[in-house]
Amino acid sequence: GENVEQHPSTLSVQEGDSAVIKCTYSDSASNYFPWYKQELGKRPQLIIDIRSNVGEKKDQRIAVTLNKTAKHFSLHITETQPEDSAVYFCAGGGSNYKLTFGKGTLLTVNP
Amino acid sequence: GAGVSQSPSNKVTEKGKDVELRCDPISGHTALYWYRQSLGQGLEFLIYFQGNSAPDKSGLPSDRFSAERTGGSVSTLTIQRTQQEDSAVYLCASSPWEGGQETQYFGPGTRLLVL
Repeated sequence: GENVEQHPSTLSVQEGDSAVIKCTYSDSASNYFPWYKQELGKRPQLIIDIRSNVGEKKDQRIAVTLNKTAKHFSLHITETQPEDSAVYFCAGGGSNYKLTFGKGTLLTVNP
Repeated sequence: GAGVSQSPSNKVTEKGKDVELRCDPISGHTALYWYRQSLGQGLEFLIYFQGNSAPDKSGLPSDRFSAERTGGSVSTLTIQRTQQEDSAVYLCASSPWEGGQETQYFGPGTRLLVL
């Protein structure tokens, strides 16, 4: 089955800096890669996703890149703000219904 | 519109008791998932329902765990003879299955504490 590794487990940045979280996956059949943000005590919420027919997708300060050959994808947050502080999860899924999640990255943005 | 809802939001029980957790998916979503999230951990897949197909129970950690989905909508996750290691947040998600991976929308979770 799919195995998704996520790094780093914790990340601390200064407000205004960029943050990058990286994930690798094992199943070459995976073609859907969402990113979820989970604030303390709240439900995970989708912030951006990418499918394997594109290499990059951007939404305001958030971007995701995908390298199918290397089987890795990354989340980029620019101009970080304190409200970006949360746990971020990557996930990978294929033509079946299952998503395999990474173990999460705790991002702290210091004012 | 209404999102995924779960009840109860918190549940405290004694070791050995049975508990039932409920999930109301988004109307029209045919796919429903249960996950378990232990403190500081990722999301552990438990079970998946899709329409009238047989559920995928491959993630259930033991035979004390079971789930059903009635009428293709509401789902109940039951844990029998609860153990302290069952303490976690149980998350439900639903998805508009359209023949491929679609966004999963999560409920707020049920926080279970087994004393």
